[in-house]
Amino acid sequence: EAGVAQSPRYKIIEKRQSVAFWCNPISGHATLYWYQQILGQGPKLLIQFQNNGVVDDSQLPKDRFSAERLKGVDSTLKIQPAKLEDSAVYLCASSLTDQSHYEQYFGPGTRLTVT
Amino acid sequence: AQKVTQVQTEISVVEKEDVTLDCVYETRDTTYYLFWYKQPPSGELVFLIRRNSFDEQNEISGRYSWNFQKSTSSFNFTITASQVVDSAVYFCALSGSSNTGKLIFGQGTTLQVKP
Repeated sequence: EAGVAQSPRYKIIEKRQSVAFWCNPISGHATLYWYQQILGQGPKLLIQFQNNGVVDDSQLPKDRFSAERLKGVDSTLKIQPAKLEDSAVYLCASSLTDQSHYEQYFGPGTRLTVT
Repeated sequence: AQKVTQVQTEISVVEKEDVTLDCVYETRDTTYYLFWYKQPPSGELVFLIRRNSFDEQNEISGRYSWNFQKSTSSFNFTITASQVVDSAVYFCALSGSSNTGKLIFGQGTTLQVKP
């Protein structure tokens, strides 16, 4: 079974530029998560989708971050404009449903450096 | 509020030593799930174990074992006879029934196993 796919793996941009990340979850997984992992910290949830609807975006900086999952499969996360503090690894995860006991499968992440 | 605290930031051991990573959690949910993930240098989070709040039996899987104690809100992870390949960052995480499946991560423990 194919795992969670993410691209690009690395991205370097200047502050105030925009960037987009892509995630393709495991086939059949209804729930998709985007986490932000700042160096030296644990991942923190940015946004959670159940199919193509948003379940939790309480920690998403909505003035600059946006995300969509239009057809309930793959998803994109965008930052516009980027700030230095956005430098982090962006992890996508998926699970069968949004029940708390279901295992989340993580992708390899996109490492973003904002200069 | 839910919170996970990993007691050690970094641990360094010599190969074949036993090592224990401590995790303490806070939650008001009566039903919740605890997880351990491994993050090797490649960056992908690898699922190790899930325990639910009603099952306090310790678990052993090869060289890995986990001790869950509800009375002290702890979920500790022991590696027996450590190996160099165990070097990674280990994360403890919590998902409560009041959540929508999102994981609350600790800050991680970096384990270095020296040959």
